[in-house]
Amino acid sequence: RKEVEQDPGPFNVPEGATVAFNCTYSNSASQSFFWYRQDCRKEPKLLMSVYSSGNEDGRFTAQLNRASQYISLLIRDSKLSDSATYLCVVGMGFQKLVFGTGTRLLVSP
Amino acid sequence: GAVVSQHPSRVICKSGTSVKIECRSLDFQATTMFWYRQFPKQSLMLMATSNEGSKATYEQGVEKDKFLINHASLTLSTLTVTSAHPEDSSFYICSAKDRDIGNTIYFGEGSWLTVV
Repeated sequence: RKEVEQDPGPFNVPEGATVAFNCTYSNSASQSFFWYRQDCRKEPKLLMSVYSSGNEDGRFTAQLNRASQYISLLIRDSKLSDSATYLCVVGMGFQKLVFGTGTRLLVSP
Repeated sequence: GAVVSQHPSRVICKSGTSVKIECRSLDFQATTMFWYRQFPKQSLMLMATSNEGSKATYEQGVEKDKFLINHASLTLSTLTVTSAHPEDSSFYICSAKDRDIGNTIYFGEGSWLTVV
């Protein structure tokens, strides 16, 4: 079983749609959780950290369920520029980050 | 602008030769840098953790004699792929931890290695 599992997609949605991605992780001792965005053939960039209380940043909302070892990302009012691969990342602090394979999102006009 | 710079961004080398990739932290000191490898349509896989002034810690399955890591200063880590083979062709990416700002992690732009 992979340490971090994601649906690879792609998710094809029209502009303005709401889309949700899910992720599960296997190590119950994991301490930190993130969503990264990776554009084609580029380095990953931090989108947001994920906290147990849930957190929101503009159109993006992240949730963490430690009991179920499950992380989610919700994107509202999708923009064309949101098209990318979204990586679920789990870590033991910042010392070791484990990346999921990513979920690809395609937003169309 | 980029806070972690990687060089070269793309390199093509012949099978059997060695290639060096540099990772530099700009405007901050990085006591710890990380080297990842990403094959097409796969996740980033941590290869090794590079600590300034000491030996790198390699992940299971990563050959330390093939992937030489040197972290001689607080702003530079290098990864040398020795005796490269076509199966080493991949996207190599580093990240650096800014020790002065809550251990924030920054990624380099990555290096595409093609071994022919």
